[in-house]
Amino acid sequence: KNQVEQSPQSLIILEGKNCTLQCNYTVSPFSNLRWYKQDTGRGPVSLTIMTFSENTKSNGRYTATLDADTKQSSLHITASQLSDSASYICVVTSGGSYIPTFGRGTSLIVHP
Amino acid sequence: KAGVTQTPRYLIKTRGQQVTLSCSPISGHRSVSWYQQTPGQGLQFLFEYFSETQRNKGNFPGRFSGRQFSNSRSEMNVSTLELGDSALYLCASIPGQGRTDTQYFGPGTRLTVL
Repeated sequence: KNQVEQSPQSLIILEGKNCTLQCNYTVSPFSNLRWYKQDTGRGPVSLTIMTFSENTKSNGRYTATLDADTKQSSLHITASQLSDSASYICVVTSGGSYIPTFGRGTSLIVHP
Repeated sequence: KAGVTQTPRYLIKTRGQQVTLSCSPISGHRSVSWYQQTPGQGLQFLFEYFSETQRNKGNFPGRFSGRQFSNSRSEMNVSTLELGDSALYLCASIPGQGRTDTQYFGPGTRLTVL
């Protein structure tokens, strides 16, 4: 069964600090991996999309990495801001069915 | 460009009723995907449409159905509502049919089943 596991479940950091969120998956075959940011009460916003051949992708202060061999991805947030407080969701799409499997998300709280 | 519009934003129904949710994608976008988000299951894929054709379907019962019109607007229908159908239903607008196209989500429709 295709699964996406994210860790930690929740994280509290101080404004200005860096943090890294993890995503492990068992989805096979692999098509692509996406990271989304979802603010409370709003729809997700796309941060990065990576295919098998890409091992890093940046979007401003957000940098995602992908290790397709170990089936792991990480999202690194640099110099965190209060507005980074949100849920971060990892999504892996199967290369066969093209059905996305979602992780449960990491809830990030940035304190001043 | 206007963003993705979902109507209604909030809806309360009772068990056994049916409901229709609407999604208007970003102008020029031709694909629409639907998702269900609940505290218990998280986000789950419902279905995807491109040019009025269902291109993909998630693992949901037949009570969940959808369609897409020639103007790319999409509707999803849930018949014989159950308490467990209470969720945030999200629609995503996609520019084309590329598997790695960016998806732009709407604000969602919050459905409560009593």
